Formats: sequence, C-alpha cells, structure tokens
Amino acid sequence: DQQVKQNSPSLRVQEGRISILNCDYTNSMFDYFLWYKKYPAEGPTFLISISSIKDKNEDGRFTVFLNKSAKHLSLHIVPSQPGDSAVYFCAASGWGAQKLVFGQGTRLTINP
Amino acid sequence: EAQVTQNPRYLITVTGKKLTVTCSQNMNHEYMSWYRQDPGLGLRQIYYSMNVEVTDKGDVPEGYKVSRKEKRNFPLILESPSPNQTSLYFCASKGTSGRYTDTQYFGPGTRLTVL
Repeated sequence: DQQVKQNSPSLRVQEGRISILNCDYTNSMFDYFLWYKKYPAEGPTFLISISSIKDKNEDGRFTVFLNKSAKHLSLHIVPSQPGDSAVYFCAASGWGAQKLVFGQGTRLTINP
Repeated sequence: EAQVTQNPRYLITVTGKKLTVTCSQNMNHEYMSWYRQDPGLGLRQIYYSMNVEVTDKGDVPEGYKVSRKEKRNFPLILESPSPNQTSLYFCASKGTSGRYTDTQYFGPGTRLTVL
C-alpha cells in the first residue's frame, strides 16, 4: 500500500525552464510534507518542506505547493539548472509520528 | 562537521553470513532510523530508535536487528542475510527538539549485495 506516490519515474527539462515534480498521497492524517534530493552515491538531503496549514512555501528557486483537497503536492524549480539533475523524493509525516513515508522518487535530468 | 557516517559503504556477502552495518552521528540526535531503498519502492523504514535503549519496528523489519546502547551509534544487524536483502541502506538521525517536523539527516548509504 503506497501511501505516497510519485507517478513519474523520470523527467527531462531544458536548462532555464521550469521543472515541476508531482506527488500524491492517500493518508489524510499526513500533515507535514518534505522534498529530499539525492545525488548518486550520496544520501538524500533535505530540500524544502510544507505544513498542512499552508498551501505554498518558497525557498529561492524552489517552491512547494500543497493542495489538501486533492491530496497532491508539487515541487517547482525555476529556473532549472544542470546541478538540479538528481532523484527527488517526496515524503510525508503526521499525527506526531516520527517516521517519514517516502514516494518512489523522480529522476530529474536538466539538459544544457 | 555535522554528519551521519555509515560503514562499510559497499559490501558483497553470501547467504547466511552474519553482518553488521554501523551508523554513527555527531549531532547529539536522539532519534535514529534505518531505511532501505529499492527500485520502484522509494525508501522504506526498517527500524527506528527514539533514544538509548528504545527501539521499534518500522515498515519492513523482518530479517533485521538493531541496538542502541549509545546515543551516537545505531548499528543494523543481519543475522542470516538472504538475497532479498540486497539493497541500498541509509541511516538517518533527527534533531533533538522532539518535534516530528525536525529535519532528518541521512548518511551516504551502504550498498549491500547478498549472493
């Protein structure tokens, strides 16, 4: 039972354009959402998060949008840069639980 | 430098030969956790620990053991590894506020192959 789903295994975007990564969740008890970025041979690193009391959180080129009614969140990267090429994991937590539930990941490739 | 370290980074072993993957953090974090990453499944939690001598099962604990005798260390033990435990393993630790929204920091990963 995959509670957090990233339905696009891969995404290719031209440098300078917008990258949009999507994530859906099924558990309505989730109230905190995160995006992690992972380069090959490294562990995931925290990128940005959003609480369910918000619908948008911005940090530089990265913006996360949350649509609670649709149980959907997205990560926007503008403008995309070659260094953004990585695997991006969506994760969720909630109801005081200490663990994170991860999606399958999306491999983003930025073409120069 | 604040970090989570894992050893070894790469390991090839044979079925049934006991092994331990070590994890250590230098951030004085109370919470530590082990995940495995498999294609198409993302990261799944194996075990976690809220503090010294306090451990609990995650989503996929079968075939694994852990211990937490010191705050900084959280080893993962495979008593009798099997090929279905071939995976990429990550250790993580989390801030000391106790809030579940604290950021988790991940180690570099251990790639395990069981033949």
